[in-house]
Amino acid sequence: DTGVSQDPRHKITKRGQNVTFRCDPISEHNRLYWYRQTLGQGPEFLTYFQNEAQLEKSRLLSDRFSAERPKGSFSTLEIQRTEQGDSAMYLCASSLAGSPQETQYFGPGTRLLVL
Amino acid sequence: RKEVEQDPGPFNVPEGATVAFNCTYSNSASQSFFWYRQDCRKEPKLLMSVYSSGNEDGRFTAQLNRASQYISLLIRDSKLSDSATYLCVVNNPPDKLIFGTGTRLQVFP
Repeated sequence: DTGVSQDPRHKITKRGQNVTFRCDPISEHNRLYWYRQTLGQGPEFLTYFQNEAQLEKSRLLSDRFSAERPKGSFSTLEIQRTEQGDSAMYLCASSLAGSPQETQYFGPGTRLLVL
Repeated sequence: RKEVEQDPGPFNVPEGATVAFNCTYSNSASQSFFWYRQDCRKEPKLLMSVYSSGNEDGRFTAQLNRASQYISLLIRDSKLSDSATYLCVVNNPPDKLIFGTGTRLQVFP
């Protein structure tokens, strides 16, 4: 399967714990995006990378959130001191800059539940 | 005001019906437009891009009106398998997708 993959698919944690999610984009894609989706809402943009450079961060991304893409391939999203309001689906997407429409392809998401 | 607005539905239609979804966006600088489909507890998947001249893909027709900042999706001959949430999406510069809340469609036999 050469699509976007995410790990883990589900995570249950207690409030105050740190969690880290991983995203592996489509191999030839140089752009990688993180989104968050809560029930009844569309995905909301968090941040994106072009290669290893983080080019934009949403105001939604508080200082408890950090994302990295150290070698321009996979990315990690870490949430420190989780809060119940962090419970959501975290979606990763990738695209190829300069391709027609620069279509973004999504991974299956990581569903986080903070107790 | 939300950047992308959609009627959340649900739209309940019988098999074979024609159904239309509308969407408005607020940023006149938006550069590209899409409809994504999302099944329950799954990731969004691209249904179709939306071009200024309008475009069709089988039973699906998308229209864009830049002057009115309005996008539409028409589904003809609805199938049970069309039941899903349809997300209106715009790409704002430099490269950020803004999603509507989605319109839920339920096709019944």
